[in-house]
Amino acid sequence: GAGVSQSPSNKVTEKGKDVELRCDPISGHTALYWYRQSLGQGLEFLIYFQGNSAPDKSGLPSDRFSAERTGGSVSTLTIQRTQQEDSAVYLCASSGTGDHPGNTGELFFGEGSRLTVL
Amino acid sequence: SQQGEEDPQALSIQEGENATMNCSYKTSINNLQWYRQNSGRGLVHLILIRSNEREKHSGRLRVTLDTSKKSSSLLITASRAADTASYFCAQRVGGGFKTIFGAGTRLFVKA
Repeated sequence: GAGVSQSPSNKVTEKGKDVELRCDPISGHTALYWYRQSLGQGLEFLIYFQGNSAPDKSGLPSDRFSAERTGGSVSTLTIQRTQQEDSAVYLCASSGTGDHPGNTGELFFGEGSRLTVL
Repeated sequence: SQQGEEDPQALSIQEGENATMNCSYKTSINNLQWYRQNSGRGLVHLILIRSNEREKHSGRLRVTLDTSKKSSSLLITASRAADTASYFCAQRVGGGFKTIFGAGTRLFVKA
């Protein structure tokens, strides 16, 4: 499709299980972002990939969280040994980073993956 | 929030009135963007203002930027019930494209 695609849209898991959330960005977008949004709250920055550079992992809340981006395209956010406080909507976004006048770095968002940890 | 704050946290107005939301940020920025979120899912980009601009318009939206005060405001004129949503400011920081969001303002427009 033409937009950012995230899967699954909803995930219910038991405490202690591992989960993987997938993001398929817009083709050609070199920057990919993961954010977390708890109910009624703002967006918490988690991690940011830009081209072939090392990702900015400064927002990952603990070492249970990791993300990778294979081939500069699809990204997977993995949460190990999930806790109830991990319950949130996980939003992925992508943007172009080419240096041309029309590029503003506007982020295009997927619809998110709602994670519920029981 | 990681980068700045928005106020008010929530705003309730009548249809036809104007809505003003403010955003403050902490560090120098390349640009500031405003996004809208309807249902707690994906965000949609509304408008961008660059650090060397002071005001920008798009339809019923007007954005101002004061870099000396590290603040921005979003004005929605002649609001409609369909404008009910959460509005977030976001700043591109550092030398790359890292983008940080504020906590958002929840706008409710009563018909």
